[in-house]
Amino acid sequence: QVQLVQSGAEVKKPGASVKVSCKASGYTFTGYYMHWVRQAPGQGLEWMGWINPNSGGTNYAQKFQGRVTMTRDTSISTAYMELSRLRSDDTAVYYCARNIAVAGTGCDYWGQGTLVTVSS
Amino acid sequence: AIQLTQSPSSLSASVGDRVTITCRASQGISSALAWYQQKPGKAPKLLIYDASSLESGVPSRFSGSGSGTDFTLTISSLQPEDFATYYCQQFNSYPTFGGGTKVEIK
Repeated sequence: QVQLVQSGAEVKKPGASVKVSCKASGYTFTGYYMHWVRQAPGQGLEWMGWINPNSGGTNYAQKFQGRVTMTRDTSISTAYMELSRLRSDDTAVYYCARNIAVAGTGCDYWGQGTLVTVSS
Repeated sequence: AIQLTQSPSSLSASVGDRVTITCRASQGISSALAWYQQKPGKAPKLLIYDASSLESGVPSRFSGSGSGTDFTLTISSLQPEDFATYYCQQFNSYPTFGGGTKVEIK
């Protein structure tokens, strides 16, 4: 069965960076785009970007360009999202989510979420 | 970036009610829209993809319609487990989410 398992909670100081991992299993990792979405406490969902695990190509939301880097390691079926120059308003739960198909519009499997807390 | 406006932002309904949530895009997105259900402390769950296709395993009381700029999620007969927050998401070049609709018990 398809599973996305994310790394554990992180506490970071303002100005630091965080790298969240998302290990995929149960399907061909390189066959499906991976999105990253975050949700601040009590707020809605915010799309951050996607990575094509096959090519490594990325597409980032304008808001995060210059601060976010999405990478993957196909040998271990794992995607990564690194966010730099953290601020207090980056405190959120970060999710990875698999795109439903090459040309489909929807995310059918989600990780369990990783809470990133930014606090001095 | 394309903006999605969901309405209402919240609603109160009773078990058995028919519930309709709308999502309007600031420009045409064809059928590149998904709907999700989210419960507190949980990841979102895909309900509808490609605007009107029911995700496998999702009850048939959920349906989606629309194309271009106007979309609708309908729950034909609200069940106790449907009380949650619902989000639309567009998949144009830079995907975005709507602000969410919280469905509460009346």
